[in-house]
Amino acid sequence: GAVVSQHPSWVICKSGTSVKIECRSLDFQATTMFWYRQFPKQSLMLMATSNEGSKATYEQGVEKDKFLINHASLTLSTLTVTSAHPEDSSFYICSAEAVGVEQYFGPGTRLTVT
Amino acid sequence: QKEVEQNSGPLSVPEGAIASLNCTYSDRVSQSFFWYRQYSGKSPELIMSIYSNGDKEDGRFTAQLNKASQYVSLLIRDSQPSDSATYLCAARYNNNDMRFGAGTRLTVKP
Repeated sequence: GAVVSQHPSWVICKSGTSVKIECRSLDFQATTMFWYRQFPKQSLMLMATSNEGSKATYEQGVEKDKFLINHASLTLSTLTVTSAHPEDSSFYICSAEAVGVEQYFGPGTRLTVT
Repeated sequence: QKEVEQNSGPLSVPEGAIASLNCTYSDRVSQSFFWYRQYSGKSPELIMSIYSNGDKEDGRFTAQLNKASQYVSLLIRDSQPSDSATYLCAARYNNNDMRFGAGTRLTVKP
């Protein structure tokens, strides 16, 4: 299957700081990338969908000014958690797909805000 | 009503048995369906995709789709302890949105 990477795999930051997470499709061009959040023992929650070169579409209840998404190329999307708070601590997972290709997930980034 | 529904489990089967995971979806326009496996602390990995009615087999896994009944299932034959994980069902709609079920936790006991 296709390979999607994420960086960093885990990060600890202080409350009030910002954290950037990168998502890359390594062996295909991703027309669409997705960002999910997963709290312990809960299901995946879609945060936003992004297409290269256009603004991300956020799910209801997700603050677009807090979770900044940039999809600058067909292989890279970034999620920036701004002014992070302890309640933002979670497992953030990206996925990528191209037309006619299934959605493949990155390995996830575990964010802890202290 | 949730768009994709799964029994959260836990489903427990003995090693070597067949594990049967079920999923229903609420809208007849769903076009393609997927099963993902997620180990604790890891991200989901794609196991199978199915697009047309009937069965699709891949090794020990068989996906079954019945669009008339809006039902998709995953059978795991000769279950192994390493199959213990949460299994996520997903449906893709005409507008390319993909929705996930909450997942079924499977435990295979040695």
